Amino acid sequence: NAGVTQTPKFQVLKTGQSMTLQCAQDMNHNSMYWYRQDPGMGLRLIYYSASEGTTDKGEVPNGYNVSRLNKREFSLRLESAAPSQTSVYFCASSEAGSGYGYTFGSGTRLTVV
Amino acid sequence: KQEVTQIPAALSVPEGENLVLNCSFTDSAIYNLQWFRQDPGKGLTSLLLIQSSQREQTSGRLNASLDKSSGRSTLYIAASQPGDSATYLCAGSNQAGTALIFGKGTTLSVSS
Repeated sequence: NAGVTQTPKFQVLKTGQSMTLQCAQDMNHNSMYWYRQDPGMGLRLIYYSASEGTTDKGEVPNGYNVSRLNKREFSLRLESAAPSQTSVYFCASSEAGSGYGYTFGSGTRLTVV
Repeated sequence: KQEVTQIPAALSVPEGENLVLNCSFTDSAIYNLQWFRQDPGKGLTSLLLIQSSQREQTSGRLNASLDKSSGRSTLYIAASQPGDSATYLCAGSNQAGTALIFGKGTTLSVSS
């Protein structure tokens, strides 16, 4: 049972570099999400995709872009990484509507130096 | 803006104790309530989901309840074990399901 798969698990970037975090789910869920988790701040929503072909900003979208490639995949891109983007990034998915729980991936630990 | 508060922030108990973790919302218009467990350096594992029409859910030694009128949820852990040591997060979703708002968690340590 793969669930939600995130790659890579760890990454170190230099300031100004770009990278894409990948996320794929095999549960046929319509909705997908990107969160970041920082000490003392909890988990905060970056972007979400309620369904294939749609994306919307969450609480902290600045500095990020997303692509819902198809129903399975939702990627997060950092165009010009900054030290403030050092964080643990989690992808999640859920069935459409609020009657269902969320399933999370194991996270990507990103350090920007 | 919805905010979620979890009390206490940290808790240490001896093995075998029953304990309660608390979660409260500034806006009681929570549709669903989900409790997660997070081990250090790991992802989130879903423990219990209380859907809109429900007031509580049970799984093994865990029981979660939701009181929408007061905007509060509790997670009860019976007969705690060292393996229960982790951070417990509560999160609520709005009716559209477009956002899951998290508390900052309660870090539990159970000593043997």
